[in-house]
Amino acid sequence: DAGITQSPRYKITETGRQVTLMCHQTWSHSYMFWYRQDLGHGLRLIYYSAAADITDKGEVPDGYVVSRSKTENFPLTLESATRSQTSVYFCASSGMAGGSRETQYFGPGTRLLVL
Amino acid sequence: AQSVAQPEDQVNVAEGNPLTVKCTYSVSGNPYLFWYVQYPNRGLQFLLKYITGDNLVKGSYGFEAEFNKSQTSFHLKKPSALVSDSALYFCAVTDRTARQLTFGSGTQLTVLP
Repeated sequence: DAGITQSPRYKITETGRQVTLMCHQTWSHSYMFWYRQDLGHGLRLIYYSAAADITDKGEVPDGYVVSRSKTENFPLTLESATRSQTSVYFCASSGMAGGSRETQYFGPGTRLLVL
Repeated sequence: AQSVAQPEDQVNVAEGNPLTVKCTYSVSGNPYLFWYVQYPNRGLQFLLKYITGDNLVKGSYGFEAEFNKSQTSFHLKKPSALVSDSALYFCAVTDRTARQLTFGSGTQLTVLP
């Protein structure tokens, strides 16, 4: 049972480049989320998706783009990376049946460095 | 708006002693509350959650948390700490209408042998 996976695990890029972080889950969960983790801020929600082709902004969406053409995948794209987007990115997923009481399950994270 | 405060960035406790990691929250209406643990270079692992009912919630690895509505708190506890409990702990809250979790800034727990 693979659960939820993220790729790449580590990425170094340069300012201005486009970067895509991948997230894949095998549970057929309806909801998927992208967070960034920065020291002193905990985790902050970037975008989330309730189902295929349904996405919505979180707390810090600027500079990011998401898509969800298939239930199991939720890629996050940095269209023009900036140094302030250096962070650790976590993908999560949760089921739908229990509403907001459903537990979110997290991937292992992608550590991104923007030079 | 919902928010979570973890007032202690760092908690140190001796192995075998009880531990407490504090969390207070602010939310409109009744909350759903969660605790997660993060080990170095790993994702967050779910520990426990409060949905409704009994104010004392038991979770994984011997952890428990007590929901206190009057104090808007959800402190994480364990009767006897292990060195392997050393990790970063996050409290999170959501109201009963939203899907978005709001996380605290995290508390680094160090259990000293």
